[in-house]
Parts: sequence; C-alpha cells; structure tokens
Amino acid sequence: QKEVEQDPGPLSVPEGAIVSLNCTYSNSAFQYFMWYRQYSRKGPELLMYTYSSGNKEDGRFTAQVDKSSKYISLFIRDSQPSDSATYLCAMMPGNQFYFGTGTSLTVIP
Amino acid sequence: DTGVSQDPRHKITKRGQNVTFRCDPISEHNRLYWYRQTLGQGPEFLTYFQNEAQLEKSRLLSDRFSAERPKGSFSTLEIQRTEQGDSAMYLCASSTDTGELFFGEGSRLTVL
Repeated sequence: QKEVEQDPGPLSVPEGAIVSLNCTYSNSAFQYFMWYRQYSRKGPELLMYTYSSGNKEDGRFTAQVDKSSKYISLFIRDSQPSDSATYLCAMMPGNQFYFGTGTSLTVIP
Repeated sequence: DTGVSQDPRHKITKRGQNVTFRCDPISEHNRLYWYRQTLGQGPEFLTYFQNEAQLEKSRLLSDRFSAERPKGSFSTLEIQRTEQGDSAMYLCASSTDTGELFFGEGSRLTVL
C-alpha cells in the first residue's frame, strides 16, 4: 500500500465549476499537508500548506484536513481555464515528504 | 529572484555519459531535497541535506548517483554512466524546519 493515494483523474470540468481533489494516507504520523500545482514541464508550485485538521482558505482555494479519517481535500471555487494543471498532494511526518501521483485537471472554457 | 534555481533546465546525453545538475536553494533554507519525477507520477524522494550533511538517501539512489552540498548552500547531483531509465525530471526543493517545501523548475534529463 502506498503511503499516499490520489485519484489520477483525468478530471474535466466546465469553467466556473467547483473542483474537489482528494488524497488519503495511511501513516498517522503525517502532520504537515501541502497541495501543489504543476504545469506541464514545470516544477511544482506550492498552493496551500496546513498542519492542523480543519479548513484553510486562500482566495478561490480551500484546503481541508481530516486527520481522524486520514483524508485531505483541495477545493477550487469558480474554476478558470488557467487552473488546468496537475495537482499534487504532499505530506510529511518529519524530514521526508511523500507525494501523491497527482490529479490532472482540465477546465473547459 | 529569490526562488530555487536549477541548471541546466534540459540536458540531452548519450547512454554511458556522466551528467551533473546544480541547485541553488532559497538562501535562508537549511534543508535541501532532490526528487525525481517521471511522466504521470508524483515526485520520488532521492536524498535530503540538512545544511551540508546528507541525512537521508533513498534506495532509488544507486551507486551511480551522488549528491553533494559542500558548504551548505548550493547542491550538485551527479549521475555517472547514464542509462535510458535515468531519463526523468530531476527536481530540487528547499525548506526551513517548518516544512513549506519550495521547488525549482527542474532539470529534465533525456538519455539517448
């Protein structure tokens, strides 16, 4: 079993839709959680960082962590074509970061 | 620009040749990581430095791979006797102890 499981998609939504991206994990020692956006042939860009259960909002993005269920989500409101990218979840227990495989998102104008 | 920078952005080499990638982390970051990413996969951990000390190495890092961070600032990743299976994006990232990890744009390796 992988440390981090992420639905690879692909996910295709119309512009303006609400997008929900999800990851599950197995290691209860994970305490820091991140979401990255990665455009083709570019390095991952940090979108959201949180270390506690609950919601964290930044503009159109909301990160949600449920440590009891070992489940994290990223919500994108009013999705835009420029949001089309691969979204990676990541988490760490200490020194090492563990990544999901990424979900490919396409927002159709 | 105070982000993580990597050089070169793209390297094409023939099988059996040696290649070296350089990473300059964000200046106040003491942690530096190397990851490898292939198409459709998330980044895979290769190695981690705390200042100049290499504290962790993945089993993915065979004897042909070596990484250094001699003065606790920039780092190099060398691959000797490259194989076609080494073709991938090599990502460098840096962070402080609080864990926000910032990536460079990556160095893409193509082994012919």
